[in-house]
Amino acid sequence: IAGITQAPTSQILAAGRRMTLRCTQDMRHNAMYWYRQDLGLGLRLIHYSNTAGTTGKGEVPDGYSVSRANTDDFPLTLASAVPSQTSVYFCASSAEEGTEAFFGQGTRLTVV
Amino acid sequence: RKEVEQDPGPFNVPEGATVAFNCTYSNSASQSFFWYRQDCRKEPKLLMSVYSSGNEDGRFTAQLNRASQYISLLIRDSKLSDSATYLCVVNTYTGGFKTIFGAGTRLFVKA
Repeated sequence: IAGITQAPTSQILAAGRRMTLRCTQDMRHNAMYWYRQDLGLGLRLIHYSNTAGTTGKGEVPDGYSVSRANTDDFPLTLASAVPSQTSVYFCASSAEEGTEAFFGQGTRLTVV
Repeated sequence: RKEVEQDPGPFNVPEGATVAFNCTYSNSASQSFFWYRQDCRKEPKLLMSVYSSGNEDGRFTAQLNRASQYISLLIRDSKLSDSATYLCVVNTYTGGFKTIFGAGTRLFVKA
């Protein structure tokens, strides 16, 4: 692994189903983030973690949860997917909050 | 008013042209600024940080105007490969850092 990796790269999901998007980084970055990107709205922060063991809510946290059990992994869970959660999801990390962020390749999620 | 605003474009320019993008921000306490580049269906990648004194990296120049609360990106001698969406990013410390991405400016460079 080099950098930050997301899985899956794309997914079609039935409404009401539970889904976890995976994110792993090998740069030993303290801060990690989950964004969604929708046409015309830019990147919006869902949840973040400034260091392992802590998480915080971003701009659009409803319907999503995260955990940060260790430095490398920051999974995003949709407990019960709804069509409005159809989006492209990007995970990112930075050495510290407020510094340059590195992004994963994104997960295209379609909820039907 | 949005916290970070960009002209969505698109900007259509010929190869070799000089093009400039502006990005305005609403919080005067904002502290750090970046420009990212995003290619279609790809992840954003850092283009350059923006320093108070202005900074240059080859054909790219970034500037910060704190008095008017905007940052700019100038691209000289545009190449076809510069075609992308350019995102400005503003960090504001309010007990913790708040990072806001602009919606992006689309650039098309044509032969």
